[in-house]
Parts: sequence; C-alpha cells; structure tokens
Amino acid sequence: GENVEQHPSTLSVQEGDSAVIKCTYSDSASNYFPWYKQELGKRPQLIIDIRSNVGEKKDQRIAVTLNKTAKHFSLHITETQPEDSAVYFCAAPRSAGSARQLTFGSGTQLTVLP
Amino acid sequence: ETGVTQSPTHLIKTRGQQVTLRCSSQSGHNTVSWYQQALGQGPQFIFQYYREEENGRGNFPPRFSGLQFPNYSSELNVNALELDDSALYLCASSVGLGAQTYGYTFGSGTRLTVV
Repeated sequence: GENVEQHPSTLSVQEGDSAVIKCTYSDSASNYFPWYKQELGKRPQLIIDIRSNVGEKKDQRIAVTLNKTAKHFSLHITETQPEDSAVYFCAAPRSAGSARQLTFGSGTQLTVLP
Repeated sequence: ETGVTQSPTHLIKTRGQQVTLRCSSQSGHNTVSWYQQALGQGPQFIFQYYREEENGRGNFPPRFSGLQFPNYSSELNVNALELDDSALYLCASSVGLGAQTYGYTFGSGTRLTVV
C-alpha cells in the first residue's frame, strides 16, 4: 500500500510570506494527489489537486508541484494571510486504481503571524 | 453546506458498547468512503462503498463494518468499542470509482468519545 510522509509538522510564517509543505509517496503508480485544509473542529476541505500527467497546477495564491521521478509533491502558498492558518494534509491513492481511497500525510500546522 | 450530512455530531459511549454512525451522501453521489481521524493525526481510510457493495477496506478489524443503502446513504458500525476508537469519523461522498471519480466531499464528521 501507499505510504505518505509529510513535513514539516509545524510551520510559522509572517503574513505576506510564502509557505511550502512537502510530501513524499512510495507507490510509483499513484496518479492523483490532493491537498486538504482543515480548520480547528471542521471537516477537511479540498483546496487543490494534481494528476500525474502534469507537473504543476496553480489556483490564485495556491500551487502544487509534482516530481514523479523523485515521488514527491509540494504545496506552495504565496502572500499568506491569517486566514490561511490551519492544518494542511496531503494525500495519495491507497493503491493503484483506488483514486478516492486516500492515504493521508500526518499534517502540517500552519500559523500565519500578523 | 457541503450536501454530505453526518449524524450524530457528537457521541459518548462506554467501552464494550456498539455504535452506529450515519452518513447521507451528496445528491447524485453513489460512492461513500469512511475515515477515522484521531486527534492530531490525518484521516485513516476505513472502507468504501459503491452501489451497496464494499469496494476496498483499510487496516481496520472486522468489528468495523458498514452498509450502503439503495439511496446511497451509509452506516458505519463499530462493535466492542475500545478507548482507542475515540476519534472523529468522517465520511466522504463521490461519484464513480478510480480515475473516473468526480467530486469528493467530506461531511462534518461525528466525534466519538469512548469512556
């Protein structure tokens, strides 16, 4: 099965700076990589995802990059704002053909300092 | 709101008891996946149901079982509760399977506390 490692576990940045969270995965057949944001006491919300046929995807201040050779993908948040403070999870398919049976990373607590 | 509703929102049970959690999928979604999220950890995949059949199971013992009904709503049952079962239980609904999946929306979860 898939193994997903995420780091750092905590990240503090000044408002307006950029934040980068990295994940590695083990199954070279994995082809779908979502990122979720979870605020305290709330459900995980999909913020961006990428499929293995592209190397980068961007949505306003959020971007995800994928390196299939190295089996890692990263979340980039630019111009951070206090409302970006939350726990962020990366995920990958549990096994080939199970795109929506996800293995999650352990999470990154992002704090944006005003 | 997401369209995925879970009930109850909070629940306290005693060790050894049984519990049933419910999930109503978003309209048009025929696949429901269940996850367990312990405090401070990422969600762990329990199992998935597609058109009333189990379609994949994570590393959870048989005392975790489920059902999906013709209207695609789903139940998660846990027997012989243990203290370590205390967690947030999330369901996610979607359409289709594998690479043909569309949408993947989490409900707000059920917070289960076992004492």
